[in-house]
Amino acid sequence: KAGVTQTPRYLIKTRGQQVTLSCSPISGHRSVSWYQQTPGQGLQFLFEYFSETQRNKGNFPGRFSGRQFSNSRSEMNVSTLELGDSALYLCASSLFRQNTEAFFGQGTRLTVV
Amino acid sequence: GQQVMQIPQYQHVQEGEDFTTYCNSSTTLSNIQWYKQRPGGHPVFLIQLVKSGEVKKQKRLTFQFGEAKKNSSLHITATQTTDVGTYFCAGPGSGNTPLVFGKGTRLSVIA
Repeated sequence: KAGVTQTPRYLIKTRGQQVTLSCSPISGHRSVSWYQQTPGQGLQFLFEYFSETQRNKGNFPGRFSGRQFSNSRSEMNVSTLELGDSALYLCASSLFRQNTEAFFGQGTRLTVV
Repeated sequence: GQQVMQIPQYQHVQEGEDFTTYCNSSTTLSNIQWYKQRPGGHPVFLIQLVKSGEVKKQKRLTFQFGEAKKNSSLHITATQTTDVGTYFCAGPGSGNTPLVFGKGTRLSVIA
């Protein structure tokens, strides 16, 4: 079966702009989580969606938002981009919300200049 | 909040040497998972441990879950260049939150 698909793979944006990233989970998976990965901080949890509802949110400013659609596809949005937002953004889908393996997409590499 | 700590942060080994990474949680975990991320890649699930004191093997990889379910280790015997990457442990968050990841151990293997 198809894996987790994230688009786009690479993105270059200017400070102050906004960006939308997309994630299509594995068919049948209703839980989608987003993580930000930077060299110094590792994998930091952004938010989790399950059945179109945000269930949890990490410690990120309100500029970071997301949503999930009825087909489980998810998008995350970052407004007013800052240089520090440059990172690899990873989406992970899982069958259940906990105690089950997470399947990661290849990520979107965002560079803010 | 819950924290998952991993040591060491980096490890450089000669090919054929053994490698171990350790993971410690600030709270008791219902389970622990291990992931591997190759350079330029994304994390890939390796294994999940659930029982206290559990030991699982995958070829040259040995995973252990501590008796108190607060620590875990991954041991690789006779490393190969294909083992290069960052190894992450992850546990369920407190309450009903998703996985909390350690910062990972980056393994370099010198041929």
